[in-house]
Amino acid sequence: EDKVVQSPLSLVVHEGDTVTLNCSYEVTNFRSLLWYKQEKKAPTFLFMLTSSGIEKKSGRLSSILDKKELFSILNITATQTGDSAVYLCAVESPGTYKYIFGTGTRLKVLA
Amino acid sequence: KAGVTQTPRYLIKTRGQQVTLSCSPISGHRSVSWYQQTPGQGLQFLFEYFSETQRNKGNFPGRFSGRQFSNSRSEMNVSTLELGDSALYLCASSFRDSPREQFFGPGTRLTVL
Repeated sequence: EDKVVQSPLSLVVHEGDTVTLNCSYEVTNFRSLLWYKQEKKAPTFLFMLTSSGIEKKSGRLSSILDKKELFSILNITATQTGDSAVYLCAVESPGTYKYIFGTGTRLKVLA
Repeated sequence: KAGVTQTPRYLIKTRGQQVTLSCSPISGHRSVSWYQQTPGQGLQFLFEYFSETQRNKGNFPGRFSGRQFSNSRSEMNVSTLELGDSALYLCASSFRDSPREQFFGPGTRLTVL
């Protein structure tokens, strides 16, 4: 059965720290991986990754995909309290038209 | 461009009742997916529609159904509500077919008493 596993489950850091969130997957014929940030509302889209080794970057957030080892990481540098949220990753197999979500990593950034 | 909208935002029902939730995708998006989010199970896929056709359905009982209209708006229906149906129901729309970025609406918080 296809599955997506995120680690760690939760993380507490101080402002200014750098964090790395992990997403590993076991899906048949991987197509794409999405990262989302969810605060007390609906998930907000961050990145889509389809090719291995290409880094996607937006400000202090960046993500990379390793299709051979079946994982992705999301890096956040110089964390701020506003980064506190649950970070979700989701993976799609071609032809299924559905994304399978991991359970998320809860990040708390202390001032 | 307006985002994904969902109505109603909050709903309280009692066991045995039925409920209909509505989702309007981003203009130009033809794919609509529905997810159920609970603290214990996380985000679980319900179904996906494209051009009024259901292309996939998750592992939910037949009480959960949906449809999509010609203007891409979608509805989902849950009949004979159970306490365990209490959840946040999220709709997401996509422009491309695959690979595709999904953009979520604000969700409908359903509480079943």
